Amino acid sequence: DAGVIQSPRHEVTEMGQEVTLRCKPISGHDYLFWYRQTMMRGLELLIYFNNNVPIDDSGMPEDRFSAKMPNASFSTLKIQPSEPRDSAVYFCASRESGFDQPQHFGDGTRLSIL
Amino acid sequence: GNSVTQMEGPVTLSEEAFLTINCTYTATGYPSLFWYVQYPGEGLQLLLKATKADDKGSNKGFEATYRKETTSFHLEKGSVQVSDSAVYFCALKYGSGYSTLTFGKGTMLLVSP
Repeated sequence: DAGVIQSPRHEVTEMGQEVTLRCKPISGHDYLFWYRQTMMRGLELLIYFNNNVPIDDSGMPEDRFSAKMPNASFSTLKIQPSEPRDSAVYFCASRESGFDQPQHFGDGTRLSIL
Repeated sequence: GNSVTQMEGPVTLSEEAFLTINCTYTATGYPSLFWYVQYPGEGLQLLLKATKADDKGSNKGFEATYRKETTSFHLEKGSVQVSDSAVYFCALKYGSGYSTLTFGKGTMLLVSP
């Protein structure tokens, strides 16, 4: 079975550019999560969706960040304009409904903003 | 609020040594507890979980027991292998939606031959 698929795996871009990260959750999973991982702050939850609807975006650092889930099989995380402090590994995860269903993580996108 | 505290790493061990990675939590009520593992260049994978006090989660030789009295969920393995080298995350889940995880900062384990 295919797991959570993220693209691109690596992204290097210059400060001020728009960055779009993509995620395809596991089919049948109705929760989707976006995380950011850095050495300093560890793993932070940015936003999560249930049935394509954003439920909690309190972790989104600022208005430069936005996330969408137009359908059950696709989500994007966009940063515009990007800044060097946005450099991190961004993970997408999905899970089924039901108490204690585990989250399944993608392999992440390593983002470097120069 | 809810929080998870893990011992700082890296933890460096020789192959076949005994492993303990400490994890304590703060939460109201009775959270579910998890250990996730992250191998280099990959995302996190669920290693084991426990949903109520005194439950023991186990997988791949790893074990952790949910201790309500000490609010702990320490990860143990009797004999580590080089392939166990990874970052280990303790996490809890609690809340009205039962949907989000609170992670510790992770503990890196390095096992040498």
